Parts: sequence; structure tokens; C-alpha cells
Amino acid sequence: QSALTQPASVSGSPGQSITISCTGTSSDVGGHNHVSWYQQHPGKAPKILIYDVSYRPSGVSNRFSGSKSGNTASLTISGLQAEDEADYYCYSYTTRSTPWVFGGGTELTVL
Amino acid sequence: EVQLVESGGDLVQPGGSLRLSCAASGSTLRKYWMSWVRQAPGKGLEWVANIKHDGSEKSYVDSVKGRFIISRDNAKDSVFLDMNSLRVEDTALYYCATHNDWRLDDWGQGTLVTVSS
Repeated sequence: QSALTQPASVSGSPGQSITISCTGTSSDVGGHNHVSWYQQHPGKAPKILIYDVSYRPSGVSNRFSGSKSGNTASLTISGLQAEDEADYYCYSYTTRSTPWVFGGGTELTVL
Repeated sequence: EVQLVESGGDLVQPGGSLRLSCAASGSTLRKYWMSWVRQAPGKGLEWVANIKHDGSEKSYVDSVKGRFIISRDNAKDSVFLDMNSLRVEDTALYYCATHNDWRLDDWGQGTLVTVSS
């Protein structure tokens, strides 16, 4: 069982916006701003989308945005496109014995 | 951007050992923390271990402590994962990644480890 909880699946139609949540505790998500998000297409390596809660690396579309409230971080994808269909993972530093944890992953389906 | 290539994955029996390697090109690894991340077939990502730039600090997920050892050779721009006492549940695609300022920036394509009798 992952330390960070994500919905197993979300879906949306092209052009719509969706939000994926990542819920942890004060030992991880709620305790600092070192939360990042990754996109993984089938058979491919993950790709970073967001770091430090809300910052986008160079080259990542501004349709991707991140935020945090309390122990829950969120990834929002606006203007959904077919190419956004993928798995998404949150990742956080934690003060527990295992210092880094991923969320369980969310499968995004573009209808 | 760093290009990373993993190697060393194989089919191994439970209780066996394996050494994974991660080689870099395009940039030197010596300025980065490095991580290993694994993904069991059809499952999510799991952080496994990381190592500081100079090798002086290492961390591991609880499930591999005492069995896996991460190391690096900066002169060869390489990172390694020595895996001992392998278990069926260690079966996964193993990725190496640059661990840069609290995030995983560059990833390799992975090397497959299968633990089975």
C-alpha cells in the first residue's frame, strides 16, 4: 500500500480540465513543498511534469499545473488532449524511515 | 539533459544476486544525487535507493535494506545497484534517474529483473 493516496483512475473529454489528488500526511506532503508529479505513457519511462508543488520544468506545457492544500497535493491538466492519456504519479520526500515515496498512480483516460 | 542507460537485468533464482549498472552520456553524473526506481509488472513506481554526489550518503526503501547496495563511480559516470538475497517480489523494471533538487529529472529506459525458479 502506497504512502500517498491517489485515485486509481480519472477521465475527461478533450478540452476539459481534470484534477488528480495526492493525499498524504504531515510527514510527507503536508510537511514541506518537495512534491513532484510524473507522467508515464505505456512502455515508456516516466517524465517529470511538476516539481516543488507548482513549478514546471522547461519544455513542459503550461496546461499542467500543481498546487497543495494541507496534506493533499493536486495536479490539474487543462485543455485535455488525447496525448495526455497516461498514468500519473505524485512523489514526495518523507520524514519516515523510507525517505521518498510515490503515490499509487492514476490512470487518465481521455474519452 | 543527461542520457541514462541501464544494464544488467536478467532472470535469476530466488536467493540469487545481480548487479545493475547505469551509465550516463551527454553530461557528467558527478553533480547529481542518483536514484533507482522500480516498477513491478502492471504496478506503480517504487523508489528504491539513492546516493549523494560523492557517495557519502545513501538511503534505501525499507524492503531492500540489508540486501541492496547502491554505489557510484564518478570517474566512469556510472551508478550501480548490487542486489543480493533476491526475492520474487523484487521482480520489476529498474530505472535509474538523476535526483536533482528534490525531483527526478532524467530517466533511463530501464532494465528488467526477473526473480523466479
